[in-house]
Amino acid sequence: DAGVIQSPRHEVTEMGQEVTLRCKPISGHNSLFWYRQTMMRGLELLIYFNNNVPIDDSGMPEDRFSAKMPNASFSTLKIQPSEPRDSAVYFCASSARLENTGELFFGEGSRLTVL
Amino acid sequence: AQSVSQHNHHVILSEAASLELGCNYSYGGTVNLFWYVQYPGQHLQLLLKYFSGDPLVKGIKGFEAEFIKSKFSFNLRKPSVQWSDTAEYFCAVNRLVFGPGTRLSVLP
Repeated sequence: DAGVIQSPRHEVTEMGQEVTLRCKPISGHNSLFWYRQTMMRGLELLIYFNNNVPIDDSGMPEDRFSAKMPNASFSTLKIQPSEPRDSAVYFCASSARLENTGELFFGEGSRLTVL
Repeated sequence: AQSVSQHNHHVILSEAASLELGCNYSYGGTVNLFWYVQYPGQHLQLLLKYFSGDPLVKGIKGFEAEFIKSKFSFNLRKPSVQWSDTAEYFCAVNRLVFGPGTRLSVLP
């Protein structure tokens, strides 16, 4: 059974460029989360969806960040324009339960470097 | 506001030593508590979780954690660590707020 699949695994881009990160949750899971991990700030929740609907995007740092979930099997996190301080590992996670008791299953992350 | 603090940034132990990693949270409502582990180069995996009932919960690989409501704590323990336990450990509340992580290095 495939886990959460993220792409790309690594991305190096220049400041000002658009970055799109992709996530395919585990089939049947109805909650999806985007996190950002940095040395300075640890693991931060950016946004999460229940049944494809964004529930809380208060963690999205700025208007440069946007996330979509057009269907139950795909989500994107877009940064436009990107800045060096956006360099981090971005994790996607999914859960079979809407409630906060549900275990999160994480993808392997997308390591973004903005020069 | 919800927050999670973890007492130690980096812990270094020798094999067979006992481990306790501290976790304290701040939250006014119902809490569901988790410990996740991230082995080097890998994604986060669930170690154990607490929702209700017995405050002492057991997880995988010999780990356990105790929920002490009066202290707002959920400390992680293991009686004897192994080199393979070298990883970063994250405490989380309600899936939404993670602590900063504690890096554990176990020396062979």
